[in-house]
Amino acid sequence: SYVLTQPPSVSVAPGQTARITCGGNNIGSKSVHWYQQKPGQAPVLVVYDDSDRPSGIPERFSGSNSGNTATLTISRVEAGDEADYYCQVWDSSSDHSWVFGGGTKLTVL
Amino acid sequence: QITLKESGPTLVKPTQTLTLTCTFSGFSLSTSGVGVGWIRQPPGKALEWLALIYWNDDKRYSPSLKSRLTITKDTSKNQVVLTMTNMDPVDTATYYCAHTFDSSSILDYWGQGTLVTVSS
Repeated sequence: SYVLTQPPSVSVAPGQTARITCGGNNIGSKSVHWYQQKPGQAPVLVVYDDSDRPSGIPERFSGSNSGNTATLTISRVEAGDEADYYCQVWDSSSDHSWVFGGGTKLTVL
Repeated sequence: QITLKESGPTLVKPTQTLTLTCTFSGFSLSTSGVGVGWIRQPPGKALEWLALIYWNDDKRYSPSLKSRLTITKDTSKNQVVLTMTNMDPVDTATYYCAHTFDSSSILDYWGQGTLVTVSS
């Protein structure tokens, strides 16, 4: 089955740029979605299809995907961005599974 | 406005069968491309996809849990039901249902989740 690898944690100072990676075999050929989850809350979609943003999500959130790595970039990080972030793909190559990464805890210093 | 809400028991005993219901509003599961997925999250751990059902009754299951899961829909009641057999303490988790569209895997609306504890 397909595996997505995320760093357990990323730390960044307010106002700086955070980059959260999601690694997978030839992930560039798949559509990647990203979710933000704050403590005690349900996940919220922040980026879909690699780089599109749902309505209401700030432009500070952006995404890219190429080769074996997809990246969620959060510009001008704010304290309110502190959360867990998960990447997700649809593995249509074998068993048509939906797969989540292990999650990354973003800490705003 | 799309909303989803999970309901079911908060406590089940080992070996029992869990039945969870996702009741939704703001969309119809008879609309082309629409689907509902189930995802769970053990305390302090990552999200894990379980199952999904599309408007055309196409069903998909997590390979690792396929033998234990059944997903069904009742379009008239706006509900999706997930059953999981042979529950074990490791199945203790918050269970979420979520909406998807365009026959995709994009989960744009989520329920609040329901915590299920497996214990004797």
